[in-house]
Amino acid sequence: AQSVTQLGSHVSVSEGALVLLRCNYSSSVPPYLFWYVQYPNQGLQLLLKYTSAATLVKGINGFEAEFKKSETSFHLTKPSAHMSDAAEYFCAVSYTGGGNKLTFGTGTQLKVEL
Amino acid sequence: GAVVSQHPSRVICKSGTSVKIECRSLDFQATTMFWYRQFPKQSLMLMATSNEGSKATYEQGVEKDKFLINHASLTLSTLTVTSAHPEDSSFYICSASRGGQGGQPQHFGDGTRLSIL
Repeated sequence: AQSVTQLGSHVSVSEGALVLLRCNYSSSVPPYLFWYVQYPNQGLQLLLKYTSAATLVKGINGFEAEFKKSETSFHLTKPSAHMSDAAEYFCAVSYTGGGNKLTFGTGTQLKVEL
Repeated sequence: GAVVSQHPSRVICKSGTSVKIECRSLDFQATTMFWYRQFPKQSLMLMATSNEGSKATYEQGVEKDKFLINHASLTLSTLTVTSAHPEDSSFYICSASRGGQGGQPQHFGDGTRLSIL
């Protein structure tokens, strides 16, 4: 079975500061990992994905994430936060043979302050 | 690429009405489509998975006679909430993914806000 834990349901950063959103996964088979962003009253937008190629994955809007098998982590980072980054972020996991079914974390609300 | 269109974006209707929500993949063929329900300030709850031409697979606790899902083509899936009641009010989101052995991301529609009076 797969599971995802997102530490910190709310994260607040200053504009221009580093963004770090944590995601740890549990999977009995090699995982595929995803980060999605959700703005109010909208669906989810794919930020980036890890599918067993490079462990450092670059995504849209300046975000990147690093797959660390030894730590079972896939934390999301951005060097400099922008006001437009304020949103809900979800980490998710799937696996081969799972029919692309995702298991989501509980989400992290990112607040960006001036 | 990978655009998913969901319609309508908002529905307000009376109790007892049936409501149909459409989910279309506009620029790719979606072997699998998913339907989620999202409560305020919460993560997504998977309701069902549908593959083109097959019956949908419902998650435990989801009434299949209440939430009818049809995946008639590789670009269209519909969710019909039958005889909707106020407790069915929620944000419903669909997603679509291409076929493959795994690692294909899901691409999401913009959701439908359903309000039952």
